[in-house]
This record gives sequence, structure tokens and C-alpha cells, in this order.
Amino acid sequence: ETGVTQSPTHLIKTRGQQVTLRCSSQSGHNTVSWYQQALGQGPQFIFQYYREEENGRGNFPPRFSGLQFPNYSSELNVNALELDDSALYLCASSLEGPSNTGELFFGEGSRLTVL
Amino acid sequence: SQKIEQNSEALNIQEGKTATLTCNYTNYSPAYLQWYRQDPGRGPVFLLLIRENEKEKRKERLKVTFDTTLKQSLFHITASQPADSATYLCALVDTGFQKLVFGTGTRLLVSP
Repeated sequence: ETGVTQSPTHLIKTRGQQVTLRCSSQSGHNTVSWYQQALGQGPQFIFQYYREEENGRGNFPPRFSGLQFPNYSSELNVNALELDDSALYLCASSLEGPSNTGELFFGEGSRLTVL
Repeated sequence: SQKIEQNSEALNIQEGKTATLTCNYTNYSPAYLQWYRQDPGRGPVFLLLIRENEKEKRKERLKVTFDTTLKQSLFHITASQPADSATYLCALVDTGFQKLVFGTGTRLLVSP
């Protein structure tokens, strides 16, 4: 158990809809990263939040957005869903400064299916 | 272009043997490299971290090597057990990007 919890665990949406995924970080961790993992692939970095500010972004369009709250919980929002957005979305927390130098503690993920 | 390559084919070995998984990278300058284990439908779990100035790291039955000249890391599991069956991911932090970037993973199957 990493202490990182994600919700919902599974959800189904249709193209064009919007989705919000939630993550509760491990206690004391101030950094949260979100990854997208398609079937058979490694996790792809979406973005990272440190002290409520976005601190790095991967190659994802602006319709992927996020928030980090004062209690370090986090949300990932995806607008205008596309079929290719179907994936496992992973949240990972860590206790770092702006440069991530240590291990990531992952949640179990939210499995999103877009029909 | 930047790549982190792991064997896409599953590695099948017999219980008790040593499993060796490979991670090769191109166009990265990693400050350190990590290995994670991922079971089906679960999030990755951290196993080991090795820094650029370290050649080898051990933890129980696990051993990781890091060769910055070859741009390669090897991950060994000695005395493998069926419970070691999982997908193993390598990940690195580039000195430029400063975020953890993952390979595609290698699936390991250990038969009794």
C-alpha cells in the first residue's frame, strides 16, 4: 500500500464528454504527477504539480488540465474526450522540490474507457 | 529522438534461474535510473534507484547495473520465483527534463 488513493477506479464515457479523476496523495507529500498508460505501453508523463502550481508538462494537449489543492490532493480533467484517451490514468505522489529526484508512489489508477 | 527501450517480448524462465532484463536509452543524460514492478491492473511499485555515478546496486535478490557509456541498465532477479512474474519498467530522470520518463516495460513469466 502506497497511501495514494484514486477515484473512480473504472469509468466509461462517450466521445466529446468531460471527465474528472481524483487523487489523494500520501500524507506529507507535496508533489503529484499524473501519467497516462495505454494498454501494453509504459506510463506517459502528463504533468506534475508542486505546491499547487504546474511544474512541468509532457506532450499532451491543453484539454488535459489539472489542479492541486492545499491539502495536496489533486484532480486531472480531460475535456472533449477522444477514443484514444482510453487508458489507465495513474497518479503518483512524492516529497520533492521542483526537481523530482526520488521514487514515485503510485495509486492503483483510474481505468477510463471512451466509447 | 529520445527513446527508452525494453524488450517488448515476454521473458520466460524457470523457477530458480536468474532473470536479466535490459533497458537501453538514447539521447538522454540521466541523473539516475529507477526500476518499477507493475502487476496487471495495478499501479507501478518502486524497486530500486541507481545514480549515474553508481555502477551497481543490490537489494535482496535484486541487482541493477548502470553503464552510462553503453547507455544501458540491466536488472537481475536471482533465484526467481513464480511470484516475481510481473511487468518490469525502467524509468529515468533526464538532467534536462527533470521528470521521470518510463520505458514500455518487459513482462517476466517465471514457471514452477
